[in-house]
Amino acid sequence: DTAVSQTPKYLVTQMGNDKSIKCEQNLGHDTMYWYKQDSKKFLKIMFSYNNKELIINETVPNRFSPKSPDKAHLNLHINSLELGDSAVYFCASSPRLSGTGWSDTQYFGPGTRLTVL
Amino acid sequence: GQQVMQIPQYQHVQEGEDFTTYCNSSTTLSNIQWYKQRPGGHPVFLIQLVKSGEVKKQKRLTFQFGEAKKNSSLHITATQTTDVGTYFCAGLAGGTSYGKLTFGQGTILTVHP
Repeated sequence: DTAVSQTPKYLVTQMGNDKSIKCEQNLGHDTMYWYKQDSKKFLKIMFSYNNKELIINETVPNRFSPKSPDKAHLNLHINSLELGDSAVYFCASSPRLSGTGWSDTQYFGPGTRLTVL
Repeated sequence: GQQVMQIPQYQHVQEGEDFTTYCNSSTTLSNIQWYKQRPGGHPVFLIQLVKSGEVKKQKRLTFQFGEAKKNSSLHITATQTTDVGTYFCAGLAGGTSYGKLTFGQGTILTVHP
């Protein structure tokens, strides 16, 4: 009965490889996000989708490509992995797309620790 | 762009001491949320503050939102070892349509028994 799940939990790979991280939420939420947390714990939003539509696309290298096949799933594909991509990637969801002046609670998945060698 | 600064970056306390973390935004916020991340875990929502000058309490935790809605604080009274973790504030800029939360850098709290 996990609310937001991610696979894999750990991912160790070589530089230059392509990898994907999957995220699923069973909360019935409309909005999903990808965050990157670096070694200093800094959390930075990468992408946000609302009902399968890309809403937020921060300054992220185009090697990162999100894909939302339906509103319960948001996957992240990374091409040509680099050392600097090593981090913990969190998926999150919220009930609705926040409007002006209000925002919903975000529910985070357990994270995927990506290590690029 | 919007920046949310959080201090201190690290705080070490003895069990029973109080702890406070402060959050300051470069722009006026619509609201602010606080999250806690246990070591090895994921951020978990604690509370949301919306009104200017708002104060909310959760047992030993007290949250404040500044009058100008540009700063916030989290105060823990009589810390316990279960309080260990990283505390994040996350602000939603005023006028933002699409709810992009900007997270502070977090304060890593260590509690010594």
